[in-house]
Amino acid sequence: DTAVSQTPKYLVTQMGNDKSIKCEQNLGHDTMYWYKQDSKKFLKIMFSYNNKELIINETVPNRFSPKSPDKAHLNLHINSLELGDSAVYFCASSSEGGNGAEAFFGQGTRLTVV
Amino acid sequence: KQEVTQIPAALSVPEGENLVLNCSFTDSAIYNLQWFRQDPGKGLTSLLLIQSSQREQTSGRLNASLDKSSGRSTLYIAASQPGDSATYLCAADNAGNMLTFGGGTRLMVKP
Repeated sequence: DTAVSQTPKYLVTQMGNDKSIKCEQNLGHDTMYWYKQDSKKFLKIMFSYNNKELIINETVPNRFSPKSPDKAHLNLHINSLELGDSAVYFCASSSEGGNGAEAFFGQGTRLTVV
Repeated sequence: KQEVTQIPAALSVPEGENLVLNCSFTDSAIYNLQWFRQDPGKGLTSLLLIQSSQREQTSGRLNASLDKSSGRSTLYIAASQPGDSATYLCAADNAGNMLTFGGGTRLMVKP
């Protein structure tokens, strides 16, 4: 039974399009995150979302917007996709956000912008 | 701003060897440090979590240590196996909500 699941696993789209990546966790966690892994394999935090409080990494363009319909879901919407957005995007969750709890990651979504 | 560095970037060892992966961080005010494993094309699997008040954690053949004062953590893998081949990532949790990752160590264990 998958703890943190993302869909789709692969996404190929053209520049300028708008796309969404969905994330769901069944761990009962109250904090969810989005991370980006670039072509050099560096993982960087994009957002964390805890009880309707959104913490944004200031380096993330405002074309990226997380949306959380409920505590178990955190979707990532990307507008006007650019070539540089190509990367693997990971969703994660943890309990007790802010208290250093263990983070669990999804399998990633490989986004390719052509 | 936290910076996390992992050395070496790549490591190749024969099966059965004990090995140590290194992780250093610049800001010692961490909540915890977490070690992950990433297989090619796959997600991250959590291996060990060391809270800031702890010195080490063990799971099977894995042992992770933490020295906050020197800004270092090590992951010790005993009796390595080909199935251990993967990229190992360490991540420091400063803000309590966000992990800062190192660049990873790509490990190859040869049969």
